Amino acid sequence: QQQVKQSPQSLIVQKGGISIINCAYENTAFDYFPWYQQFPGKGPALLIAIRPDVSEKKEGRFTISFNKSAKQFSLHIMDSQPGDSATYFCAARGAGGSTLGRLYFGRGTQLTVWP
Amino acid sequence: GAVVSQHPSWVICKSGTSVKIECRSLDFQATTMFWYRQFPKQSLMLMATSNEGSKATYEQGVEKDKFLINHASLTLSTLTVTSAHPEDSSFYICSARANRDLGEQYFGPGTRLTVT
Repeated sequence: QQQVKQSPQSLIVQKGGISIINCAYENTAFDYFPWYQQFPGKGPALLIAIRPDVSEKKEGRFTISFNKSAKQFSLHIMDSQPGDSATYFCAARGAGGSTLGRLYFGRGTQLTVWP
Repeated sequence: GAVVSQHPSWVICKSGTSVKIECRSLDFQATTMFWYRQFPKQSLMLMATSNEGSKATYEQGVEKDKFLINHASLTLSTLTVTSAHPEDSSFYICSARANRDLGEQYFGPGTRLTVT
């Protein structure tokens, strides 16, 4: 069972545009929601993260919006650049019991930013 | 800070042989390390979690006798793929965390394994 559902699978955006990637989770026992950026042949790198008691977090061009009641969170990339072309994964971290500290990943979104 | 390295970055081995992949935390002590597997254009799949000095906990469906994990020190974990077969070809990624249960996971750069 996919704990974290991510969409779209792929996204093409023009340079300067806004890229939006959405994720939804089913389990309420998550305490941390990170986004990772992965380039081909490389490991994922933490991009930005949010805790469920916060509705929005912004770091530079990257913003996470978090809707606890809807169990949804999204990544917005403002002024998208060709260098942002990568695969993005959302994740949720288990908050207790046997899932404590474990990351559950979405399926990933391949973002292409055209110059 | 919080750098995790993997060695080798890529390896080609013949079917039936074993290959060892190292994961090191360079600037912090990693109480817990994770091993993931990633197929092309797919997400990360957790294979096992290991706490320093303890036996690894494997995810359902992962053969513990095939994928041997050792976490003998706070800065080093190894994954040995025994009797490798072509279907074991994949991208293997480790991550490390300073605390046993909480805190950020820092990912290594990955190791590309090709079994011929």
